[in-house]
Amino acid sequence: LAKTTQPISMDSYEGQEVNITCSHNNIATNDYITWYQQFPSQGPRFIIQGYKTKVTNEVASLFIPADRKSSTLSLPRVSLSDTAVYYCLVGDVSSGSARQLTFGSGTQLTVLP
Amino acid sequence: GAVVSQHPSRVICKSGTSVKIECRSLDFQATTMFWYRQFPKQSLMLMATSNEGSKATYEQGVEKDKFLINHASLTLSTLTVTSAHPEDSSFYICSARRGGPNTGELFFGEGSRLTVL
Repeated sequence: LAKTTQPISMDSYEGQEVNITCSHNNIATNDYITWYQQFPSQGPRFIIQGYKTKVTNEVASLFIPADRKSSTLSLPRVSLSDTAVYYCLVGDVSSGSARQLTFGSGTQLTVLP
Repeated sequence: GAVVSQHPSRVICKSGTSVKIECRSLDFQATTMFWYRQFPKQSLMLMATSNEGSKATYEQGVEKDKFLINHASLTLSTLTVTSAHPEDSSFYICSARRGGPNTGELFFGEGSRLTVL
């Protein structure tokens, strides 16, 4: 299983771009990188998923270098409502087992006014 | 809208009683669902994998006789915490993967907060 390492916490101000980096040195060939957002007392919510290079959707971008040993979630112009815990998960999404998607410690993002 | 729903969202019970939590996939069939437990300020820990029509697969350290899982249909999995004790108080979350084997999006329920008095 690919272990992930993220910063425990980050602070930012409203309107700024936030980049959260995740290290996954032993990522396997079939592994995808998925990011989730979790608010207190709620289940995690899917943000974005990628395999290599760059992926962008309406809420975030995901940058993955060629060696795929890390990834960076980029949140443009954050607002107070983006304060949450962000999890980076690495695993084989074609597998039927959630065991392949292990939650790390996550990053507590706090957006300040 | 939500594609995986849990019920109840909050439950308070007395020590020694059993509590059932339901997890439903709302607009898709899920042959496999997953149950997690999350303590305050901690990450999600996978408890078990629920398989439709067969026995659940439990993670190491999770008591299968205490946390009974039933996956009777393709849209419903239930977790029953038997003889609950205060240390079982936690946030329980289920998830299901939508689509075929090559679709990787894992949807999570809203979570169920169990408080055992």
